[in-house]
Amino acid sequence: QQQVKQSPQSLIVQKGGISIINCAYENTAFDYFPWYQQFPGKGPALLIAIRPDVSEKKEGRFTISFNKSAKQFSLHIMDSQPGDSATYFCAASWTGANNLFFGTGTRLTVIP
Amino acid sequence: DTAVSQTPKYLVTQMGNDKSIKCEQNLGHDTMYWYKQDSKKFLKIMFSYNNKELIINETVPNRFSPKSPDKAHLNLHINSLELGDSAVYFCAATSRGFNEQFFGPGTRLTVL
Repeated sequence: QQQVKQSPQSLIVQKGGISIINCAYENTAFDYFPWYQQFPGKGPALLIAIRPDVSEKKEGRFTISFNKSAKQFSLHIMDSQPGDSATYFCAASWTGANNLFFGTGTRLTVIP
Repeated sequence: DTAVSQTPKYLVTQMGNDKSIKCEQNLGHDTMYWYKQDSKKFLKIMFSYNNKELIINETVPNRFSPKSPDKAHLNLHINSLELGDSAVYFCAATSRGFNEQFFGPGTRLTVL
């Protein structure tokens, strides 16, 4: 059973455009929602994370939007660059949990 | 200094062989994981150890046996390798109660 559902599976965006990746969850005990970025040949690395006490978190060109009532959260990449081309994973967990529940990943390609 | 390191980076072997992958972390964390990433980029947790004690053991064939000699090391031994074991295996580390996981660079296993 997939605890976190992620879409789309792949995404192609023009340089300078906005990339949007969506995730949904069911478990209301989740209180930590990170996004991981994975470049080819590398391990995933934490990009940005949010807790449900805020509806939005921004770090540079990357923004997480969080909708607690809809149990959804999304990653927005503004002014997308070719260097952003990577696989992005959303995840969810709760404080003190031993593991993260990962989404199925989105392969982002930014075309110059 | 690499925070989470894995050896080897690439492993090519014949079906039926036994092989091991090693992981070391110098972050001082007390929890380590093994993940399997298939060709579709799905990240699947296999095992989790906390202070050398197994705490997560997902549905994985018993040909896979993790061993943690100390809290800085987590090794994965695989017996009787099968074609379906071909994947990238990632080690990760964190501390209990601290949600962020730090991933190693991965070991690409190819079974011929």
